[in-house]
Amino acid sequence: DTGVSQDPRHKITKRGQNVTFRCDPISEHNRLYWYRQTLGQGPEFLTYFQNEAQLEKSRLLSDRFSAERPKGSFSTLEIQRTEQGDSAMYLCASSSTQNTEAFFGQGTRLTVV
Amino acid sequence: AQTVTQSQPEMSVQEAETVTLSCTYDTSESDYYLFWYKQPPSRQMILVIRQEAYKQQNATENRFSVNFQKAAKSFSLKISDSQLGDAAMYFCAYRSAGDDKIIFGKGTRLHILP
Repeated sequence: DTGVSQDPRHKITKRGQNVTFRCDPISEHNRLYWYRQTLGQGPEFLTYFQNEAQLEKSRLLSDRFSAERPKGSFSTLEIQRTEQGDSAMYLCASSSTQNTEAFFGQGTRLTVV
Repeated sequence: AQTVTQSQPEMSVQEAETVTLSCTYDTSESDYYLFWYKQPPSRQMILVIRQEAYKQQNATENRFSVNFQKAAKSFSLKISDSQLGDAAMYFCAYRSAGDDKIIFGKGTRLHILP
């Protein structure tokens, strides 16, 4: 068990470009979460999957954001037409039915210039 | 909607001393879970301690313990014998038993003074 893995760790992009992040959860974890964390703040919930089904999306998640989890394994988070306000750490977490807590990856730090 | 409030943005404690981090939450649910997570600088978030709301006994994990006051909706974290490695952001978090989403507070940055 290698833990939750996120790729890339850092991404610098120009405003208006599209970016995609990947998350590989702990194997056999059926729940996968995406959070956004800005400097000095707590993680804000973005969206959540159970297996391949996206069960909940935060109202924070504008239509420029889309997440997928094909086949209920890894997940991708895409941000289209990035804005400077999208600069943040994007955290992925996973859990199983047996867990009450979530296990976090190291995050992808996005900087929009 | 459930909310989690951490009123101490930063705290400092002398090495080997004891420190208590505060957390309050708001919910209309009766069955839920509470967590304290630790996020060291530039490192991933890890679970420190967990409390089930139906348990009256306060959770303990080595030097870490909680004071869970369900009626007051209070969930504080006590760190005994503070060590330099305890320096981190600490987040209080809530999850309803009927929901899989975890809600976090804004965090408390803990400094350990040598």
